[in-house]
Parts: sequence; C-alpha cells; structure tokens
Amino acid sequence: AQSVTQLDSQVPVFEEAPVELRCNYSSSVSVYLFWYVQYPNQGLQLLLKYLSGSTLVKGINGFEAEFNKSQTSFHLRKPSVHISDTAEYFCAVSDGNNDMRFGAGTRLTVKP
Amino acid sequence: KAGVTQTPRYLIKTRGQQVTLSCSPISGHRSVSWYQQTPGQGLQFLFEYFSETQRNKGNFPGRFSGRQFSNSRSEMNVSTLELGDSALYLCASNRGGGGTEAFFGQGTRLTVV
Repeated sequence: AQSVTQLDSQVPVFEEAPVELRCNYSSSVSVYLFWYVQYPNQGLQLLLKYLSGSTLVKGINGFEAEFNKSQTSFHLRKPSVHISDTAEYFCAVSDGNNDMRFGAGTRLTVKP
Repeated sequence: KAGVTQTPRYLIKTRGQQVTLSCSPISGHRSVSWYQQTPGQGLQFLFEYFSETQRNKGNFPGRFSGRQFSNSRSEMNVSTLELGDSALYLCASNRGGGGTEAFFGQGTRLTVV
C-alpha cells in the first residue's frame, strides 16, 4: 500500500511569515494527493487536492501545493500565515481503489 | 446537506470490555473509512467499506472489526479493549471512486481505563 511521510512534526512560525509543510509519498501506482487541516476538537477538512494536470494546486485559505513526481513530494505552502492558521495539517495519498493513507501530521503554530 | 455524523462523541470503557461506534455518512456516499488518531501516530487506517463489503484493510489486530449496512451507515467494533485503544476514532465518507474527497465526522473520543 502507499504511504506518506511528513518530515516535520511541528513548525513554529511568526505571523505574516511564509511557511512550507513538507510531505513525501511512496506508491507503486498513480496516486491522488491531498492536504487536510484539523482544528482543535474537530474533524478533518480538505485544503486542496491533486488529481492530474497542473502540478501547482491552489486551495482554500490561501494555501497551495506543488506535486513533484520525480521527488515524490507534495509540499504545502502559504506566503503569509495568520494566527488562525494554527492547526494540525495532514498529507494524504490515495490510489484508484479509494485506499487513502495519511501522514503523522504537522502541527503548525503561528505566533504573534 | 447533513455531514458525516458519528455517535457517541465521547465514551469511557474499562479494559476487557467491547465497544461499538457508529457512523452515518453523507447521503449518496457509498464508501465509509475508519481511522484511529493518537498523538504522534497521526491517522492510522483501519478499514474501508463500500457497498457493504470491506474493500481495504489496515494493519490492525482482529479485535477491530466493522460492518456496513445497506443504507451505507457503518459501525466499528473493538473487542477486549486495551489501554492502548484510547484514541479519537474518525469516520470518513465519500462516493467511493479513486481521487474523491473524503468528508470527516468529528470523531468519537474513546478512553479505556
């Protein structure tokens, strides 16, 4: 089965600074890639997804991610973060059979 | 359109007991997946059901089981509970095709004492 590695468990950053959350995946088949966000005491919410086509994907709340097949990466970026972006972020990979696997998560903390 | 509903939201059980968690997917969604979330482990995939059949399975012991009914509602059962089973159990539903977005419920917080 496919798997996901999120390279940073915690990322502290100051408000209005740029941020990158790193994600690498492994799979023997073509994959679909996702980023989800989880706010405290809530379920997960989709930020963005890559299915095919353009490798730069734009999502909600100003986030974007770039699919890099040669490096098997799907890093999430935002040029300027807000306090409200403080949350846990999960990268996920799914195959054509709807088998979706998640990484361990990255806790983004935005400081004033 | 109602979202994914999980019941109960909180549960406290004693070691050795069994527990059943319920998940009602979004109307029209035929796939239901279950995940266990613990600090530091992220979301670990338990299993996925599609049209009442288990289609995918994660690496959990046989104490963890599930089923799906004809109306797509799903239950998961954990028998002989262990302290390490304390976790947030999340259910997600989608239409079932590859690449489709999964919609999550708010989870059931299980505490085993």
